[in-house]
Amino acid sequence: NAGVTQTPKFRILKIGQSMTLQCAQDMNHNYMYWYRQDPGMGLKLIYYSVGAGITDKGEVPNGYNVSRSTTEDFPLRLELAAPSQTSVYFCASSYGGTSYSNQPQHFGDGTRLSIL
Amino acid sequence: KNEVEQSPQNLTAQEGEFITINCSYSVGISALHWLQQHPGGGIVSLFMLSSGKKKHGRLIATINIQEKHSSLHITASHPRDSAVYICARSSGSARQLTFGSGTQLTVLP
Repeated sequence: NAGVTQTPKFRILKIGQSMTLQCAQDMNHNYMYWYRQDPGMGLKLIYYSVGAGITDKGEVPNGYNVSRSTTEDFPLRLELAAPSQTSVYFCASSYGGTSYSNQPQHFGDGTRLSIL
Repeated sequence: KNEVEQSPQNLTAQEGEFITINCSYSVGISALHWLQQHPGGGIVSLFMLSSGKKKHGRLIATINIQEKHSSLHITASHPRDSAVYICARSSGSARQLTFGSGTQLTVLP
């Protein structure tokens, strides 16, 4: 099992460009998440999904969009890149289980994105 | 004020020392997570707990629900333990995480 795979690992964008950060998991997890990590700050939730076709906003969703057409994939789209979106982006997944269960999250290796 | 507060922010220890990292949270949780972020950036889950204590090798995690406080202990620390340790609370429909700002641990040989 590859776990959670993120591509690309590094990217430099110009202001106003758009791009899609890819995330795929092969563990049949129904819950998936996108977080960003800014230097010296804790990770913050951008968007999450509880299953194919269902997504919801997290703490910092502005400037991003997501889709979840399959269980495996959860891409994150930046439409008009801004310097404030320079960050390290992590995708994670977990098994949803029952309403009362808690499961660990499995993280991808991250995508380091610079907007210049 | 962050919902999850960690202390200390930075910690330097000598090899073999007993280490404690603290985490306090201000609202209810489904579970409290401890994660490790390696120098290369990867993040792995160490513990997930909603009560009591868990142990894995030299790592021990405890939680006091009434006091909204958790601790991560490392016994007989080793330079390979050097990393950022992050606590996070899970809540919500997808058990999404709210993170502390992390503790940078450096263990010197």
